Amino acid sequence: AQSVAQPEDQVNVAEGNPLTVKCTYSVSGNPYLFWYVQYPNRGLQFLLKYITGDNLVKGSYGFEAEFNKSQTSFHLKKPSALVSDSALYFCAVRKTAGGATNKLIFGTGTLLAVQP
Amino acid sequence: EPEVTQTPSHQVTQMGQEVILRCVPISNHLYFYWYRQILGQKVEFLVSFYNNEISEKSEIFDDQFSVERPDGSNFTLKIRSTKLEDSAMYFCASSVSGWDTGELFFGEGSRLTVL
Repeated sequence: AQSVAQPEDQVNVAEGNPLTVKCTYSVSGNPYLFWYVQYPNRGLQFLLKYITGDNLVKGSYGFEAEFNKSQTSFHLKKPSALVSDSALYFCAVRKTAGGATNKLIFGTGTLLAVQP
Repeated sequence: EPEVTQTPSHQVTQMGQEVILRCVPISNHLYFYWYRQILGQKVEFLVSFYNNEISEKSEIFDDQFSVERPDGSNFTLKIRSTKLEDSAMYFCASSVSGWDTGELFFGEGSRLTVL
């Protein structure tokens, strides 16, 4: 069965410091991996995705993520955090084959708190 | 930028009552989804819908739930007889197609509180 794990409920980082939000996945076959962000009282906003190709993908708001097949990880990173990055971040996975739809399996979310 | 819109933003209802949550997907999208997020928990897939029928549904999506696309723009989720455990944020999403590399676009959610 497909699953996504986000081991940290919360990540605290000082503004200007690099940040990492961790995600590991379990899926048979090749995965499609996504990061979404949820600001308070808002819906989920797409940040970036890995489909194939370069293991380092770049997305919105200066975020990037590195796909590591051997470690089955897809950690979200940003070189310099902003206070406005404070939000709930969700990792999600979808199988590349089998099934009829774009069903995403989400992790439990990681709350990122950036201190000024 | 086109967006998915949902109404109502918050609904409070009594246990056993019927609730309809409404969504207007992005106009050129063909696949529609409902997800829910119980407070403090992860986002869970409920159902996907294409060509006027359900493509896939989860175990959560039992006989109390139904979806419909009554016209060319709306996509609704109906809960026939709400239970306390149906209290959650319900997100509608849409995508251009169902099996490609594209992302889902989510609405801002409808918060359902069942008393």
